[in-house]
Amino acid sequence: AQSVTQPDIHITVSEGASLELRCNYSYGATPYLFWYVQSPGQGLQLLLKYFSGDTLVQGIKGFEAEFKRSQSSFNLRKPSVHWSDAAEYFCAVVIRRMGTYKYIFGTGTRLKVLA
Amino acid sequence: GAVVSQHPSWVICKSGTSVKIECRSLDFQATTMFWYRQFPKQSLMLMATSNEGSKATYEQGVEKDKFLINHASLTLSTLTVTSAHPEDSSFYICSATMSDTQYFGPGTRLTVL
Repeated sequence: AQSVTQPDIHITVSEGASLELRCNYSYGATPYLFWYVQSPGQGLQLLLKYFSGDTLVQGIKGFEAEFKRSQSSFNLRKPSVHWSDAAEYFCAVVIRRMGTYKYIFGTGTRLKVLA
Repeated sequence: GAVVSQHPSWVICKSGTSVKIECRSLDFQATTMFWYRQFPKQSLMLMATSNEGSKATYEQGVEKDKFLINHASLTLSTLTVTSAHPEDSSFYICSATMSDTQYFGPGTRLTVL
């Protein structure tokens, strides 16, 4: 069965430090991959997405993610974290089959940023 | 571009009443919208897929008679929680699809007293 795993439930980093949030998926073909961020009491904002092509994807707010087919991973990175990055981050995959879409979300990683 | 709005942003109602939540794609047309429910500190749970002009597709375990979904136009989907009870209190989020990407609304906080 298709699935998305975010191994880290909570991550705490100091402001200015680098960040990597992990995401692994289980799917036979190459899925569409997404990272979303959610601030408390808010909806989800799209950070970046990967459909095909260059495996290193640049997103908004200085985030990037790299698709690694051999590891079935799509990890999110940021070289220097800002206090405003504290939020919940969700990795998602879209499975396309017979013209329909199935979106699968990971359980999320809550990021805390220390001043 | 790709802005999705929800109304209301929060609502408090009495047990037994019905509540309607609207989801609109403001600057694009969406043939498909999704409705999610999110419990505190948890991921999103897909409730149903709303297709313009046809019946919604509900996920297993979601009562279609309790959560009525209508997608009457390419920019509007509504979720009506009928005969709401305290256990229906939750954060409801909709999304609309454009170019294979989901764009989310800001969510609606429902509290049933």
